[in-house]
Amino acid sequence: ETGVTQTPRHLVMGMTNKKSLKCEQHLGHNAMYWYKQSAKKPLELMFVYSLEERVENNSVPSRFSPECPNSSHLFLHLHTLQPEDSALYLCASSQESEGAIYGYTFGSGTRLTVV
Amino acid sequence: QKEVEQNSGPLSVPEGAIASLNCTYSDRGSQSFFWYRQYSGKSPELIMFIYSNGDKEDGRFTAQLNKASQYVSLLIRDSQPSDSATYLCAVEDTGRRALTFGSGTRLQVQP
Repeated sequence: ETGVTQTPRHLVMGMTNKKSLKCEQHLGHNAMYWYKQSAKKPLELMFVYSLEERVENNSVPSRFSPECPNSSHLFLHLHTLQPEDSALYLCASSQESEGAIYGYTFGSGTRLTVV
Repeated sequence: QKEVEQNSGPLSVPEGAIASLNCTYSDRGSQSFFWYRQYSGKSPELIMFIYSNGDKEDGRFTAQLNKASQYVSLLIRDSQPSDSATYLCAVEDTGRRALTFGSGTRLQVQP
């Protein structure tokens, strides 16, 4: 496996379900991110983990819960979602050094549909 | 809220022409700037990055940065139909230790 791998590629879930998105990076990067991409909108930053430490983002609803067990893996736990949460969820990784970011490598994304 | 602005397009150019894509940003403290290409149904891929004022060339692509005007652009020379995609401008947000993206400009290269 190379690059950034996201699973599943597609997910349909009911509003009462609990599911998790998984992301794994094989690039030796030290920072990982979750972004949400909705039609006609810019990518929205959801969560940042740098050196396995979470950088707070208070604007994300609590029905989204991230987990970063190590520098190569990132999860997004989902529960009690709303139809407006339907979107493409993108994971990315990068190398951060002395506060500078050296560009992202994105995974293929998970297309989420909430019914 | 730090912002990155792009014209949504579509920008339509004939094959072989120069495509010029523009981006402005609000955070004067930003030091790193990126251009990503996103094909329909795919994830973004990095095509250029620039850190210093001036021009940076890589093959058919040239990135231009003017920090005083808070302006970054991407030129694509000899445009090909395969260049048809959405181009995303991204700017480093040091406060959030992440990139802020514009909404993208859709480029159409006509054969």
